[in-house]
Amino acid sequence: NAGVTQTPKFRVLKTGQSMTLLCAQDMNHEYMYWYRQDPGMGLRLIHYSVGEGTTAKGEVPDGYNVSRLKKQNFLLGLESAAPSQTSVYFCASRRLAGGPYEQYFGPGTRLTVT
Amino acid sequence: AQKVTQAQTEISVVEKEDVTLDCVYETRDTTYYLFWYKQPPSGELVFLIRRNSFDEQNEISGRYSWNFQKSTSSFNFTITASQVVDSAVYFCALSESLLTGANSKLTFGKGITLSVRP
Repeated sequence: NAGVTQTPKFRVLKTGQSMTLLCAQDMNHEYMYWYRQDPGMGLRLIHYSVGEGTTAKGEVPDGYNVSRLKKQNFLLGLESAAPSQTSVYFCASRRLAGGPYEQYFGPGTRLTVT
Repeated sequence: AQKVTQAQTEISVVEKEDVTLDCVYETRDTTYYLFWYKQPPSGELVFLIRRNSFDEQNEISGRYSWNFQKSTSSFNFTITASQVVDSAVYFCALSESLLTGANSKLTFGKGITLSVRP
């Protein structure tokens, strides 16, 4: 039982390049989330999904797209990376109902855009 | 809209001191959950505790204790006899209306960096 895993752990991109971050969970959780963490800003929600095939915008969605084609996977895409997207990205998941309601986080992906 | 305020940004204590991390929240919902997460220097986010809005009992887990007061909208976290391994960033978070999918999001405070010196 690996919990929540993220691929890759580190990545350096040049401005304008694209990439996809993969999040996978093996807990059969319905809800999945993508956050970014910046110094002094805490964690901010980018996009989330309440089930396979559904996604919704969070607090800071601009410049990102997501897809949830399979229940266990949640992909975060950057079509044209910008230096402002340099951050640590965390994926999380939780159960729909019946508790517990805490979110379980992956180890994070450190992305640098030069 | 929901909001979490962690007014303390950095705290430094000497080992064995007690330390309290403050968390104040805002919400219009009557049903909500509060959480504390720990982020050690290794970077992962570790869940510490969950408390629902109907349960105001304080909780103690070893050296950790939490004080939830609805009257002041606070959910404070105390570490007794701190240790160097407690050095981390601590986040308080709030989630409203957990049974409604659209409101299943966590709102985080900006975090408190705790440094425990030997």
